[in-house]
Amino acid sequence: TQLLEQSPQFLSIQEGENLTVYCNSSSVFSSLQWYRQEPGEGPVLLVTVVTGGEVKKLKRLTFQFGDARKDSSLHITAAQPGDTGLYLCAGVSAGNNRKLIWGLGTSLAVNP
Amino acid sequence: EPEVTQTPSHQVTQMGQEVILRCVPISNHLYFYWYRQILGQKVEFLVSFYNNEISEKSEIFDDQFSVERPDGSNFTLKIRSTKLEDSAMYFCASRGTVNGYTFGSGTRLTVV
Repeated sequence: TQLLEQSPQFLSIQEGENLTVYCNSSSVFSSLQWYRQEPGEGPVLLVTVVTGGEVKKLKRLTFQFGDARKDSSLHITAAQPGDTGLYLCAGVSAGNNRKLIWGLGTSLAVNP
Repeated sequence: EPEVTQTPSHQVTQMGQEVILRCVPISNHLYFYWYRQILGQKVEFLVSFYNNEISEKSEIFDDQFSVERPDGSNFTLKIRSTKLEDSAMYFCASRGTVNGYTFGSGTRLTVV
């Protein structure tokens, strides 16, 4: 069974601080996705990382896929209150269906 | 920006009743999914649908669950006889490109 463990589960920081969220598995995924979810809404795809060692940047967010394609991290630089939300990682299973295996999420609060 | 639309946003039903959750996926997408999220737990895969048939289903998706794409635009999830433990957020998603998932805003199902 493929599992994804995400840490930390909760994070409360001050505006301007940096933070890193981790997503770890003992399984290899074909790719890994990061989502952001607001209360009462569905997850919104931020990025997909595909190649081992890949780094993608989305403004102040940096996503990295581990060399072995088992883990990933999300780093936010100079966090802002608008970054507050739930961040979810999801491993994409191999095959045509590409079902998602989810982490529990990191609830981030950025205080002004 | 194309959207996945889910209705209703909230549904309260009595135990043992049948419910139908409705979704309108993005029109040119080929893969359709239902996921659910029980409060405080990980998002879980229920079923994927391709070419007018179920392509994969999880252990959760037992005989009480069914999916249908009756008219080429709607995609429905039916629970025949609801149980208390079916209470959750149910998310519909569709996928066009290899990794291009789009999720709806979800239906909050409460079974009383």
